[in-house]
Amino acid sequence: GAGVSQSPSNKVTEKGKDVELRCDPISGHTALYWYRQSLGQGLEFLIYFQGNSAPDKSGLPSDRFSAERTGGSVSTLTIQRTQQEDSAVYLCASSLAGYAYNEQFFGPGTRLTVL
Amino acid sequence: SQKIEQNSEALNIQEGKTATLTCNYTNYSPAYLQWYRQDPGRGPVFLLLIRENEKEKRKERLKVTFDTTLKQSLFHITASQPADSATYLCALANQAGTALIFGKGTTLSVSS
Repeated sequence: GAGVSQSPSNKVTEKGKDVELRCDPISGHTALYWYRQSLGQGLEFLIYFQGNSAPDKSGLPSDRFSAERTGGSVSTLTIQRTQQEDSAVYLCASSLAGYAYNEQFFGPGTRLTVL
Repeated sequence: SQKIEQNSEALNIQEGKTATLTCNYTNYSPAYLQWYRQDPGRGPVFLLLIRENEKEKRKERLKVTFDTTLKQSLFHITASQPADSATYLCALANQAGTALIFGKGTTLSVSS
């Protein structure tokens, strides 16, 4: 079946603009994660959705970042008033169930460049 | 706070040799540890998961150990091949068990 897909694959924006990044998880996966990977850095956890539970937003770096997951499927990560330090690859992952003992399936990422 | 270190940023070995990558962690005791492979421009791909009560796990040419006393995991690739060249990431469950905390990775290069 289809894997995790993300769009766009690349996004170039100007400082101060808002951006939306989309993630389509694997069908049937109840857990969805967003991570950020900056050059030379490891993956940084941003937010976690599990079913209808309240999301774990503990990794969001500032209130300019928000995410939603509609209908338990597609998720959108929104960054408002982008800054140059937001430039990174944003990765989405899904897993069959919640909790970090489950294998996570990653999408190809969205490379965000803020000029 | 929880901290993960992968000791080598880069490891270069010759084809046929065994590659050994190290992952050390501090400040908590994870119940699970995972290893992922990441190729340039792609998302990570799951390789192996090992639980705290398992000392060793194998999958084909891969072997992972988990020493909760030393707070260390070793990842071995035997009979390495150039196709094994990639970045390998160690990841631990956070204390809430809801997300993974990733190390920065070790980039392995296998030369023929």
